[in-house]
Amino acid sequence: GDSVTQMEGPVTLSEEAFLTINCTYTATGYPSLFWYVQYPGEGLQLLLKATKADDKGSNKGFEATYRKETTSFHLEKGSVQVSDSAVYFCALGSGGSYIPTFGRGTSLIVHP
Amino acid sequence: NAGVTQTPKFRVLKTGQSMTLLCAQDMNHEYMYWYRQDPGMGLRLIHYSVGEGTTAKGEVPDGYNVSRLKKQNFLLGLESAAPSQTSVYFCASTYLGGDRSEAFFGQGTRLTVV
Repeated sequence: GDSVTQMEGPVTLSEEAFLTINCTYTATGYPSLFWYVQYPGEGLQLLLKATKADDKGSNKGFEATYRKETTSFHLEKGSVQVSDSAVYFCALGSGGSYIPTFGRGTSLIVHP
Repeated sequence: NAGVTQTPKFRVLKTGQSMTLLCAQDMNHEYMYWYRQDPGMGLRLIHYSVGEGTTAKGEVPDGYNVSRLKKQNFLLGLESAAPSQTSVYFCASTYLGGDRSEAFFGQGTRLTVV
């Protein structure tokens, strides 16, 4: 079945550091890929998405590129801020299922 | 823009009590989902619905029941609460199936069973 594997956290960075959160997936066909963010005390919200190979999703300075050859969708940001502290979820949507598949989430902590 | 609204936001139950969590969406979405979130476990799907009048089991359905009598509402019931059901519960909806569109989440319900 479909699955998403994310790097375990927490990831702890200083402000203005470079961020990478790794995400790899297993799916049949050509899934859509998503990154969601969960701020403390809130529900998940979409951060960015990509629907086909080599697409790059971007939002709020975050980027991720859909790499079919390596089945990956790594999240990157060039300079993190304290306000980016949150839990980040990688997810996929497969044509064979009604249900989005989520990774376990990666906690990011950014210190001033 | 209400989106997905969950009620209540917090609740404390005694073991054996029952309760219903309500999820309402105003986006005319066909698909709705109930998840629970526990530390280190990510999101686990409890039940889902692909349309009014339909429901299906997810990954962890035991101890829960659901109903989708109206398209905009998806109810999650606990008939006899147990401490293992202490968790944060999230409702989500999508316009199309999970592969086609983003999921919209409610703010969550923090449930404690003592």
